[in-house]
Amino acid sequence: QKEVEQNSGPLSVPEGAIASLNCTYSDRGSQSFFWYRQYSGKSPELIMFIYSNGDKEDGRFTAQLNKASQYVSLLIRDSQPSDSATYLCAVHYGGSQGNLIFGKGTKLSVKP
Amino acid sequence: DGGITQSPKYLFRKEGQNVTLSCEQNLNHDAMYWYRQDPGQGLRLIYYSQIVNDFQKGDIAEGYSVSREKKESFPLTVTSAQKNPTAFYLCASSRGSPSTADTQYFGPGTRLTVL
Repeated sequence: QKEVEQNSGPLSVPEGAIASLNCTYSDRGSQSFFWYRQYSGKSPELIMFIYSNGDKEDGRFTAQLNKASQYVSLLIRDSQPSDSATYLCAVHYGGSQGNLIFGKGTKLSVKP
Repeated sequence: DGGITQSPKYLFRKEGQNVTLSCEQNLNHDAMYWYRQDPGQGLRLIYYSQIVNDFQKGDIAEGYSVSREKKESFPLTVTSAQKNPTAFYLCASSRGSPSTADTQYFGPGTRLTVL
């Protein structure tokens, strides 16, 4: 059973702080990793993806991947109230019928 | 504007009815997907299609049916055999096939409620 685990939260951080969201996955064959943001009642929107070990930065967002430890994280610097949302981690396991497996999401609340 | 559209935004179904959810994309993407999301749950794959006239069952296909007669369109029918259909339904598309791990982009969703 391929699983993607996230702390459901809520994770509460003050405005301007760094928010750290974590995700672990069960299958070492995983190849691609995605972070989506989902506002309440809306559909998921892509924040970023990462394929290689290490860090990938895009503006205030940094994705970190450690395949040996089977975790991927998302850091949000200078958190804003508009970042308050549920963050979904998705893992692609590859193969001819490979598809995305989604975690249940972490709810982030940024307090002004 | 390029994107994915879903209709209707809200849908109410009576017991025993079949209903069809529309999904259209003008991104020229080959692959399309249907997911279901329940409160506090991750997205679960219902069906996906890599090319026209071909589709595959996902993890929770029972009680659902799809068609892919055009590249742009991938409608989902929720049949009366689906015992607990109340959920948020999301359509997605990607440029390549599922095995290529191309990014999936989502439509705005349809919220289905059984009366």
